[in-house]
Amino acid sequence: LAKTTQPISMDSYEGQEVNITCSHNNIATNDYITWYQQFPSQGPRFIIQGYKTKVTNEVASLFIPADRKSSTLSLPRVSLSDTAVYYCLVGDEYSGGGADGLTFGKGTHLIIQP
Amino acid sequence: ETGVTQSPTHLIKTRGQQVTLRCSSQSGHNTVSWYQQALGQGPQFIFQYYREEENGRGNFPPRFSGLQFPNYSSELNVNALELDDSALYLCASSLFSGNTIYFGEGSWLTVV
Repeated sequence: LAKTTQPISMDSYEGQEVNITCSHNNIATNDYITWYQQFPSQGPRFIIQGYKTKVTNEVASLFIPADRKSSTLSLPRVSLSDTAVYYCLVGDEYSGGGADGLTFGKGTHLIIQP
Repeated sequence: ETGVTQSPTHLIKTRGQQVTLRCSSQSGHNTVSWYQQALGQGPQFIFQYYREEENGRGNFPPRFSGLQFPNYSSELNVNALELDDSALYLCASSLFSGNTIYFGEGSWLTVV
C-alpha cells in the first residue's frame, strides 16, 4: 500500500480557503486518492475521491497533478465547523477498503479560528 | 447520521476481562468492518465480515474476534483485555466492493 505524508496540523480563519497537501510518491497505477474527515468522538466521513486532474463536489475540491505523486484537498470558505482531522488515503477505488481495510495515517488536524 | 449504530457508547473494563461491542449496519449493507482508534492516532483495521464470515484481518491478535449475523449486524469480542486495548472502536458498513463506507460514532473502551 502506498504510504502517505501530510502535515500534522494546520490553522486558518473563517472564510478562508484551506488547502491540505498529501504526498504519495509510491502510488500505484490503479490506486485512487480518497479523503476522509473526522470530528471528535465520531467516525470518519468520506469527503471526496479522485484518480487524476480535478474533482469537485458540494463540500471540497481535489487537485491531482499529472504525476499523481501528491494531491491537494481544497476547502472553500471554511467555517468553525470545519475544525476536524482530515485523512488522505491511497488505495482501491472502493472506499470500503475491501479485505485489507482502509489504511489511515495520523491525518491533519485542521483548526479554524474566528 | 450514517445509519450505523454502535453500543455501548462508553464502557470501563478491568484488565483480563472480556468485552463485547455491537454494531447495526446501515440498511442494505452486507459488509461490516471494525477499526480500533487509539488517542491521537488514525483508525486501524481490525477485520471485515461478509456473509457471516471473516473476509480480511489486520494485524490484531486472535483474542480479537467477531461475528456477523444474518441481518448483517455484527459483534466485536475482545478477550483478556490489556491496558493498551483502551481506544475508540469503530464499526463501518458498506456493500461488498461498494463505493461508500459509513462509520458509526464508535464505542469508547477504557481498560483499567
